[in-house]
Amino acid sequence: EVHLLESGGGLVQAGGSLRVSCAASGFTFSSYAMNWVRQAPGKGLEWISVISGSGANTYYADSVKGRFTISRDNSKNTLYLQMNSLRAEDTAVYYCAKDLGVTTKIFDYWGQGTLVTVSS
Amino acid sequence: DIQMTQSPSTLSASVGDRVTITCRASQSIRSWLAWYQQKPGKAPKLLIYDASTLGSGVPSRFSGSGSGTEFTLTISSLQPDDFATYYCQQYNSYALFGQGTKVEIK
Repeated sequence: EVHLLESGGGLVQAGGSLRVSCAASGFTFSSYAMNWVRQAPGKGLEWISVISGSGANTYYADSVKGRFTISRDNSKNTLYLQMNSLRAEDTAVYYCAKDLGVTTKIFDYWGQGTLVTVSS
Repeated sequence: DIQMTQSPSTLSASVGDRVTITCRASQSIRSWLAWYQQKPGKAPKLLIYDASTLGSGVPSRFSGSGSGTEFTLTISSLQPDDFATYYCQQYNSYALFGQGTKVEIK
């Protein structure tokens, strides 16, 4: 059974940094692209980043480009999101989401999310 | 940039009703569209991808159709478990979600 568990969320001041993680199990982690999707309180879903199975290719939404870095450790079955220069508008629940395939950007499994709150 | 617009924003319906949600793209996305269901405090769940392919374990009362710029999600007979918010998402160019449609009890 596929299981994704995010951790590392919390309260951080504007301008600060935070790294969230996503531990994966139940599938061959290195064979699938992984994504981060966020949801601001009471708002809709926003895709922010994807990383290929090998980690060689990464893509970002314009809203986070240059500030956030996605990475993965396939030996640990773990996905990361390093968030720098955080802003109040980055306050959201951050979900990791497994890609249906190589980089389809279809999200077939999601974690329960981790809340990041940026105080101004 | 592609824009995704869902309608309606809110839909009031009763158990047993046939429900249809529309999603429009500002330019053609071929059939690169998915639908998700989200309940309060929970992660989204994949319902449909490639516009009409049912996700794993999704009940057959859910169906999707469309191509190009106009798509629909249909629930043939609304069940109590279906009251939720539904999102469309294009993946023709990166990934972009619609604003969501809340299906509430009438």
